[in-house]
Amino acid sequence: AQKVTQTQTSISVMEKTTVTMDCVYETQDSSYFLFWYKQTASGEIVFLIRQDSYKKENATVGHYSLNFQKPKSSIGLIITATQIEDSAVYFCAMRENTGANTGKLTFGHGTILRVHP
Amino acid sequence: DPKIIQKPKYLVAVTGSEKILICEQYLGHNAMYWYRQSAKKPLEFMFSYSYQKLMDNQTASSRFQPQSSKKNHLDLQITALKPDDSATYFCASSQTANSDYTFGSGTRLLVI
Repeated sequence: AQKVTQTQTSISVMEKTTVTMDCVYETQDSSYFLFWYKQTASGEIVFLIRQDSYKKENATVGHYSLNFQKPKSSIGLIITATQIEDSAVYFCAMRENTGANTGKLTFGHGTILRVHP
Repeated sequence: DPKIIQKPKYLVAVTGSEKILICEQYLGHNAMYWYRQSAKKPLEFMFSYSYQKLMDNQTASSRFQPQSSKKNHLDLQITALKPDDSATYFCASSQTANSDYTFGSGTRLLVI
């Protein structure tokens, strides 16, 4: 069965610094997709970035990048030059690429990020 | 303009009653989903639909029934409500089952 684990409950950083959030996953599939979402204080959930398991190059979108370590089943999210507005809960999620592709995502518990001025 | 509309935003219901949570998406997506977010739990997958066809159901209780009257609608009917059903219910959609999700703003349900 799929499992996604985020061990960091909360992280506090100063504005303009770089932060890394950890995520490890468990899957029996050789092909899968990994995602990071952000939930703001208003409750809105926003897609940030994805990594397809067959791609060796780490994904990058704006000031978000991923540290994909397949042998360790790890997909860390790196946010550079953090801003106050980055304060939110960050969720890691995985979708297996099974035969019956249902689109189901399995989420981690989330990491609260607080960015201080 | 919101691309996924969930109604109502807040809902208070009495134990044993029945409610319908509405979800409409205007993104032209072919797949739609329901997730539940409870305190101290991760977002939990409930249902997925593709082209109005049920693809997956991870809800143990038959009290939760999705209803898709149109391709861009996926409502969630909950019967015999219990206090444990209190949660925020998120609807989401994606172009295909492999695509990124767009989430609605959620319906916060409180059962008393």
